[in-house]
Amino acid sequence: DTAVSQTPKYLVTQMGNDKSIKCEQNLGHDTMYWYKQDSKKFLKIMFSYNNKELIINETVPNRFSPKSPDKAHLNLHINSLELGDSAVYFCASGQTLGGYGYTFGSGTRLTVV
Amino acid sequence: AQKITQTQPGMFVQEKEAVTLDCTYDTSDPSYGLFWYKQPSSGEMIFLIYQGSYDQQNATEGRYSLNFQKARKSANLVISASQLGDSAMYFCAMREGRGGNQFYFGTGTSLTVIP
Repeated sequence: DTAVSQTPKYLVTQMGNDKSIKCEQNLGHDTMYWYKQDSKKFLKIMFSYNNKELIINETVPNRFSPKSPDKAHLNLHINSLELGDSAVYFCASGQTLGGYGYTFGSGTRLTVV
Repeated sequence: AQKITQTQPGMFVQEKEAVTLDCTYDTSDPSYGLFWYKQPSSGEMIFLIYQGSYDQQNATEGRYSLNFQKARKSANLVISASQLGDSAMYFCAMREGRGGNQFYFGTGTSLTVIP
């Protein structure tokens, strides 16, 4: 019973395409996140949603659009994919109050060719 | 300024030995949490250990302990009795404030355990 599940695990697509990555958590957490991990393993936050409300929106091209239909889901849609978008994308969830860490999804390796 | 600094890009340790992975942090918030995550070659991020800024004692979880030195703003991870399965990337992270929404991650340390 996966706590934070992301699909797909691998995504290979051509430049210019539009793709989505889905994320669901069953932990009852109130906050969900998208992180990008580049080829040097650096983790950078992209978006954060608290109870379906966008609270962090880092400097990310507007080709990236998060969608949170409810607090258990946070999907990432990417338009007009570029080569530089190739990375591993992690979804995570956490609870706002309380000193505990995120629970991460298993990651989606996106390769743009 | 970097919120989290990990100065060791790569470390090697002999199996069964202990190893310390360094982490320093920068915050002016008196309330914060410090975390370590492990990322094996399979790619998932695994939570290892947590230390709160007001915790009096160093956190321990099995073979993992966190050497918390508040005045020096350091939160080093100590892995005792290293095992081959400990070979992975290790990330230090910080969350500011009781309700802080963002984690700041360090650049990671790649640990290799040698048989």
